[in-house]
Amino acid sequence: GQNIDQPTEMTATEGAIVQINCTYQTSGFNGLFWYQQHAGEAPTFLSYNVLDGLEEKGRFSSFLSRSKGYSYLLLKELQMKDSASYLCAVRDSNYQLIWGAGTKLIIKP
Amino acid sequence: TAGITQAPTSQILAAGRSMTLRCTQDMRHNAMYWYRQDLGLGLRLIHYSNTAGTTGKGEVPDGYSVSRANTDDFPLTLASAVPSQTSVYFCASSEGQTTDTQYFGPGTRLTVL
Repeated sequence: GQNIDQPTEMTATEGAIVQINCTYQTSGFNGLFWYQQHAGEAPTFLSYNVLDGLEEKGRFSSFLSRSKGYSYLLLKELQMKDSASYLCAVRDSNYQLIWGAGTKLIIKP
Repeated sequence: TAGITQAPTSQILAAGRSMTLRCTQDMRHNAMYWYRQDLGLGLRLIHYSNTAGTTGKGEVPDGYSVSRANTDDFPLTLASAVPSQTSVYFCASSEGQTTDTQYFGPGTRLTVL
């Protein structure tokens, strides 16, 4: 079967750095996405990785290792508004997105 | 631009009744999707459409039907609702299917009693 694993919940301090991990086992791989979802709102796109390595976009970076079936999202200089769920999704061989259950990130002052 | 709109925002429905969730996008995207999101689970694909006039089944299609008569609209119909269909439903669209980012509507919160 296909599986995406992420921690259920993480807590971090405002101004700090946090890394959210995602491991996957899917039938094929055609890219990995990270989305942010605030409570009661729609998911919004953060990043996309299809090749190994680090993609940096402002305070957010995303890393991919296809051989290890592993990705992480790195959030720097955390702000209170970063409190949200972070969803990892993999596009499989049928070009469908397989979603993890999400990681709820709690930021404390 | 509005992007993707969904209606209604929320609904309480009696079991056995039918309902259509509406989704409209103004980005002229070819592909559209319906997901449901349940606590503790990832988004699950119900149905999708790669282009107007075509539809396909996702991971959890039973009890749901869709149509894609034109590019902009992708309604989801529950023919006879059951309590297990209580969920938050998100419509999404992407320019194409194979490589493009999906953009989501605001969601419809449905409770079936």
